[in-house]
Amino acid sequence: ETGVTQTPRHLVMGMTNKKSLKCEQHLGHNAMYWYKQSAKKPLELMFVYSLEERVENNSVPSRFSPECPNSSHLFLHLHTLQPEDSALYLCASSRDRLNSPLHFGNGTRLTVT
Amino acid sequence: RKEVEQDPGPFNVPEGATVAFNCTYSNSASQSFFWYRQDCRKEPKLLMSVYSSGNEDGRFTAQLNRASQYISLLIRDSKLSDSATYLCVVGGSNDYKLSFGAGTTVTVRA
Repeated sequence: ETGVTQTPRHLVMGMTNKKSLKCEQHLGHNAMYWYKQSAKKPLELMFVYSLEERVENNSVPSRFSPECPNSSHLFLHLHTLQPEDSALYLCASSRDRLNSPLHFGNGTRLTVT
Repeated sequence: RKEVEQDPGPFNVPEGATVAFNCTYSNSASQSFFWYRQDCRKEPKLLMSVYSSGNEDGRFTAQLNRASQYISLLIRDSKLSDSATYLCVVGGSNDYKLSFGAGTTVTVRA
């Protein structure tokens, strides 16, 4: 299924680097999300966009900066990350705002060295 | 108290067996409930939504108990391919926030 695609699949970056994660959805959904998944922990919601407007910012450090230029694309800009930010970053989309099911991309496995 | 709690398992079962596990949630106003499946190092995928009256999809049956605030998943006639982590997901009534459990690991052995 290519409904939600994320790039890159893997990323290794130093603490002083700047990188961006990209997500694209082809499902015609109105909401897009960034989640963080660390080992043995539940998925943590980071950001939500609905119709390109940010509607949720879940106390995420400013070293993570989201961007949603249109309803099909979502970016997560990364700078001066810490080793504890190493995790699987998952993009998702949903049809609308009323807790409709999420469709996830295949994730970016990030390692911060 | 965590918003969504699951027994991490692992549940180790032989092929053909039935396995069932629950998930409890803390917010009594929760309105939407889902089970997702996540394979090792892959993204979560929707297995099924959970409806108030309970629902079945092939070998999978989901139940909702609002009074006791839990949902359950039962897998009949387990297949090797059912080995995965099953995530319980609960949503409120008017926001975007879906709360995820940490998952229950099921391993089906030949």
